[in-house]
Amino acid sequence: KAGVTQTPRYLIKTRGQQVTLSCSPISGHRSVSWYQQTPGQGLQFLFEYFSETQRNKGNFPGRFSGRQFSNSRSEMNVSTLELGDSALYLCASSFRGGDEQFFGPGTRLTVL
Amino acid sequence: DQQVKQNSPSLSVQEGRISILNCDYTNSMFDYFLWYKKYPAEGPTFLISISSIKDKNEDGRFTVFLNKSAKHLSLHIVPSQPGDSAVYFCAASAMGAAGLGQFYFGTGTSLTVIP
Repeated sequence: KAGVTQTPRYLIKTRGQQVTLSCSPISGHRSVSWYQQTPGQGLQFLFEYFSETQRNKGNFPGRFSGRQFSNSRSEMNVSTLELGDSALYLCASSFRGGDEQFFGPGTRLTVL
Repeated sequence: DQQVKQNSPSLSVQEGRISILNCDYTNSMFDYFLWYKKYPAEGPTFLISISSIKDKNEDGRFTVFLNKSAKHLSLHIVPSQPGDSAVYFCAASAMGAAGLGQFYFGTGTSLTVIP
């Protein structure tokens, strides 16, 4: 069974730009969650999608948004990038949400 | 507001000895807890979980203990091996509540097992 894949793996953007990250969950998994990891902050929950609906949302500004498609693939968008958005963005999938999550390798975003 | 805390950013242990990683939480609604291990340049991988109806769960060299009254859980690794050197995250969720699907993670503890 293929694991969770994330594209791209690395991204460099400048302040003010926008970025879209992609996540393909494990086949059969309907829940996709996104996390931001920064040094000293651990994994901060962004949002969770289940069957194309955002079910949970963390405490991030509206510049962070996401969506999920009918095949459970998910995208995350960050608009008007700020230097502080530089981080590792991790996607995790699970069968129903709230159960064991399987993580992708992450997308390393650098904002200059 | 950090609802899950790992107060030790790092831990060093001799090979063959016990590693004990600690995690505290503040939300009494949390009823499902997990430990993940993370190597550099990889996503976290699931290690072991425990639900609030238990106080102990074992899987090979890994044992998780849950003390609900103290809102504390710990991961024991016995014996520790050099390959266990990684960052360990604990996570919690309230499966029985509306927060289903949302996990709260600690900041991680970097474990180094010295050969």
